[in-house]
Amino acid sequence: AQKVTQAQTEISVVEKEDVTLDCVYETRDTTYYLFWYKQPPSGELVFLIRRNSFDEQNEISGRYSWNFQKSTSSFNFTITASQVVDSAVYFCALSEGIAAGNKLTFGGGTRVLVKP
Amino acid sequence: DGGITQSPKYLFRKEGQNVTLSCEQNLNHDAMYWYRQDPGQGLRLIYYSQIVNDFQKGDIAEGYSVSREKKESFPLTVTSAQKNPTAFYLCASSIGRANEQYFGPGTRLTVT
Repeated sequence: AQKVTQAQTEISVVEKEDVTLDCVYETRDTTYYLFWYKQPPSGELVFLIRRNSFDEQNEISGRYSWNFQKSTSSFNFTITASQVVDSAVYFCALSEGIAAGNKLTFGGGTRVLVKP
Repeated sequence: DGGITQSPKYLFRKEGQNVTLSCEQNLNHDAMYWYRQDPGQGLRLIYYSQIVNDFQKGDIAEGYSVSREKKESFPLTVTSAQKNPTAFYLCASSIGRANEQYFGPGTRLTVT
């Protein structure tokens, strides 16, 4: 069975500090998709990134970057120069099979609090 | 604007009553999903539908029912058989089986 673990339940930083969120997953499939979502206080989940199991290239998008390592089954997320607006709960999720629209298994989430 | 609408944002019911949560999307997405989120936890899948008139149970379907009569709509009924219905309910949709899911604003249900 698939499983996603986000060991950090809450991280508190001061504005402009970098913050890295850990995500470790378990799956028996060789083909799968990984996602990161952001949940601000309003409650709606915002899609951030999708990565398939065949693409280990790291990605940078503005202040966000992702480090995917199949060897350690990890898909970590870094926010560089954090801002107060980054305060939210961040979820890592896994979808098995060849279709990313399959069922998503979510981690427990990491709450990030950025203080001014 | 295209998006997913869930109504109402807050819903209050007495124990023993069935309640239906609305989810509408105008994104022309084929697949739709219902998740439940409890405080401090991740999301768990209740039901999902890949196509009109077809749906499958997720991990926690007991006490819930759905219908998919139109592509745009995927209502969720929380029945009196659901033992702990108080939760935050999120609806999502995706273009198809190969794409990421986009979420609505959620409905917070409180049953007393």
